[in-house]
Amino acid sequence: EDQVTQSPEALRLQEGESSSLNCSYTVSGLRGLFWYRQDPGKGPEFLFTLYSAGEEKEKERLKATLTKKESFLHITAPKPEDSATYLCAASSSGGYQKVTFGTGTKLQVIP
Amino acid sequence: ETGVTQSPTHLIKTRGQQVTLRCSSQSGHNTVSWYQQALGQGPQFIFQYYREEENGRGNFPPRFSGLQFPNYSSELNVNALELDDSALYLCASSFSGRSEKLFFGSGTQLSVL
Repeated sequence: EDQVTQSPEALRLQEGESSSLNCSYTVSGLRGLFWYRQDPGKGPEFLFTLYSAGEEKEKERLKATLTKKESFLHITAPKPEDSATYLCAASSSGGYQKVTFGTGTKLQVIP
Repeated sequence: ETGVTQSPTHLIKTRGQQVTLRCSSQSGHNTVSWYQQALGQGPQFIFQYYREEENGRGNFPPRFSGLQFPNYSSELNVNALELDDSALYLCASSFSGRSEKLFFGSGTQLSVL
């Protein structure tokens, strides 16, 4: 069974204090590794898709990387508006779009 | 370009009742997936509809059922509601049955008393 595990569950950072979120995955035939951002009371918002080990993608203060077993979301010099829950998800091979989500990391950035 | 819209935003039901949730997919998208998100958890895949047919299902009992209409909008029906069905129900649309990038609505918060 496909499994996605995220750590830590919660992270509290001072504004400007860089850190990384971890996502480890076990899926049968990875087709893509995704990162989403979710604000309270809203649906997840797409951030990145990574397809193969060694791939990196950046968007503003966020950078996502992928290895054969893990993905990391690096947050550089975060701001209070980066506070949200960050979800990692993996898509496995098959005849339909099967996407397994982790439980998320709740990030709080303090001014 | 309109995004994914869901209705209603909140709903309160009692155990044993039936509920129907609705979703309008993003313009140009032909695939709709439904997810259940309990408090503090990640979204759990319920099922996916592509061209009006269910083409994938997660570990949810048959009392969870759905429909997709010719305009690609969708419904999620849950019969015989249980207390554990209380959750945020998310609809996500995408361009094809095998496209991974999901566009989510804001969800329907269902409370079962």
